[in-house]
Amino acid sequence: AQTVTQSQPEMSVQEAETVTLSCTYDTSESDYYLFWYKQPPSRQMILVIRQEAYKQQNATENRFSVNFQKAAKSFSLKISDSQLGDAAMYFCAPDSGAGSYQLTFGKGTKLSVIP
Amino acid sequence: NAGVTQTPKFQVLKTGQSMTLQCAQDMNHEYMSWYRQDPGMGLRLIHYSVGAGITDQGEVPNGYNVSRSTTEDFPLRLLSAAPSQTSVYFCASSYSISSGANVLTFGAGSRLTVL
Repeated sequence: AQTVTQSQPEMSVQEAETVTLSCTYDTSESDYYLFWYKQPPSRQMILVIRQEAYKQQNATENRFSVNFQKAAKSFSLKISDSQLGDAAMYFCAPDSGAGSYQLTFGKGTKLSVIP
Repeated sequence: NAGVTQTPKFQVLKTGQSMTLQCAQDMNHEYMSWYRQDPGMGLRLIHYSVGAGITDQGEVPNGYNVSRSTTEDFPLRLLSAAPSQTSVYFCASSYSISSGANVLTFGAGSRLTVL
């Protein structure tokens, strides 16, 4: 079974500052997708960003960007200009191969945003 | 569109009781799945379905049954509840694999307590 490691159980960031959440994984696949999901206190799972492993260019969605290092099997999330609404649990989740839709989730990183 | 609807939102059971968690989606998604989330853990896949009449096991299937008689519905059945099944359950759906789009849409979750 695939394992996903998020080494930072908790992190905090000052409002308007930048924070990076780390994620490493193992997979034997060459073509797969990786996702970051956000879970605020409401419990709703919300997609933040996704990356296709065959694309070398790192994905960006507004204030959110990733640093994808395929050889190192590393997929970190950078949040710029942090806002109070960014406070949540963040989960890294690679799938089991392109098109599989079966995600393996890390244990999550709890992000606090300090006003 | 309602998206993915889960019922009930909260449920308390006694050990040995049976119940069904309902999941319905109105997006004509072919892929549906059930995850459970325990404290300090990421989401873990229980069962999934790639279309009506087709189901398969995920990482933690023991103690759970599923069926998929229609595209819209994917109920999760606990035949004899155990305290170890106390968890928050999430249903998720997505487009067909062939389309290449693979973003999961999650329901709001169902919190189950087994006494």
